[in-house]
Amino acid sequence: DAGVIQSPRHEVTEMGQEVTLRCKPISGHDYLFWYRQTMMRGLELLIYFNNNVPIDDSGMPEDRFSAKMPNASFSTLKIQPSEPRDSAVYFCASSLSASSYNEQFFGPGTRLTVL
Amino acid sequence: SQQGEEDPQALSIQEGENATMNCSYKTSINNLQWYRQNSGRGLVHLILIRSNEREKHSGRLRVTLDTSKKSSSLLITASRAADTASYFCATDDNYGGSQGNLIFGKGTKLSVKP
Repeated sequence: DAGVIQSPRHEVTEMGQEVTLRCKPISGHDYLFWYRQTMMRGLELLIYFNNNVPIDDSGMPEDRFSAKMPNASFSTLKIQPSEPRDSAVYFCASSLSASSYNEQFFGPGTRLTVL
Repeated sequence: SQQGEEDPQALSIQEGENATMNCSYKTSINNLQWYRQNSGRGLVHLILIRSNEREKHSGRLRVTLDTSKKSSSLLITASRAADTASYFCATDDNYGGSQGNLIFGKGTKLSVKP
């Protein structure tokens, strides 16, 4: 398996533009997580899905952020409109099953810069 | 909410020395995990220790857990330059009740000089 795949790896956009980040989890994993990492705030959980259903989106900072998982092999995180403070590295991770005894497998991340 | 917090924030040692990183957390847990992040990469799982375990080994890694003190330590023995990375502890969100969720600390940045 190729692991968790994220695209794009780097994104530079201007304030006000829509940004869409993509993630393909490891096949067979039931859980998918979106994180944001910054120097100031560290690694923050934004939202996670179980079997394509959003379970907890309390970490989504504002209504400008939305996430979908239309099927087991694809998820998107959308920011509309983007702002400079959204600049961060966004990680997608997946895990095998419900229990937190399972490790999370992280993708390489998308480095987002909003000018 | 912040669960795990690593200490120190940064650690610089010479190759061959041991590196010890600590993690403290606030609420009861089912397990605690340690992850490693190389610069510009995603996190990679290193080891998991359950709440009923006190110590666990994996290669040059040794993890301890003290639930009475709500703390864990990660020891890397005979460090190598390739161990240079950030190390994070993560605990399950037992308090919040969310299944499958992990809460990560801010990490310890380890630098191993050759």
